[in-house]
Amino acid sequence: GESVGLHLPTLSVQEGDNSIINCAYSNSASDYFIWYKQESGKGPQFIIDIRSNMDKRQGQRVTVLLNKTVKHLSLQIAATQPGDSAVYFCAENNNAGNMLTFGGGTRLMVKP
Amino acid sequence: ETGVTQSPTHLIKTRGQQVTLRCSSQSGHNTVSWYQQALGQGPQFIFQYYREEENGRGNFPPRFSGLQFPNYSSELNVNALELDDSALYLCASRSGTGVSGNTIYFGEGSWLTVV
Repeated sequence: GESVGLHLPTLSVQEGDNSIINCAYSNSASDYFIWYKQESGKGPQFIIDIRSNMDKRQGQRVTVLLNKTVKHLSLQIAATQPGDSAVYFCAENNNAGNMLTFGGGTRLMVKP
Repeated sequence: ETGVTQSPTHLIKTRGQQVTLRCSSQSGHNTVSWYQQALGQGPQFIFQYYREEENGRGNFPPRFSGLQFPNYSSELNVNALELDDSALYLCASRSGTGVSGNTIYFGEGSWLTVV
């Protein structure tokens, strides 16, 4: 299938290591943030979300951290697996709008 | 599987032609939005439909238009196609209008190539 991330920043990690993917957002009014995973030839897949009244949220093997002071979002993946290889996007929304604004994406490559 | 289905999966059109892309939203989801994703970039919001009316639009020209039907399925129409319209077109559905707190599910997209 077609690739959606030919020239994206790339993070390469060893299988079993932890991964940290970072995202800077620009709108201080944004109050809801989502991380999506996109595999080649597929649509974005929801991973985890967080509201602005929280600074940390955990899911299965994933944790999202939100630092509103510096407008920074990160996704931590524990014990990274080959199936985690994909492009990861952060998206933000503010209550005034109905749209998600996506970041540029990061390609995660997991080495066996 | 997200329950959001799109058709066609791939198509090729000639510059100046018109195209219609279709989306069937997840059961119970009354809000559908469309995004354009150019190669190597994140998705860009085109517009959103709630109960058959457009209730939000991104920075796209009027030749991008849409419809939502009573069963909440949706169409994206693009007239006078340009080469830069070549992209992956994504449909997303959710329940309600406010984004916060309502999980948004994406379909697999329709790849459009304009030659």
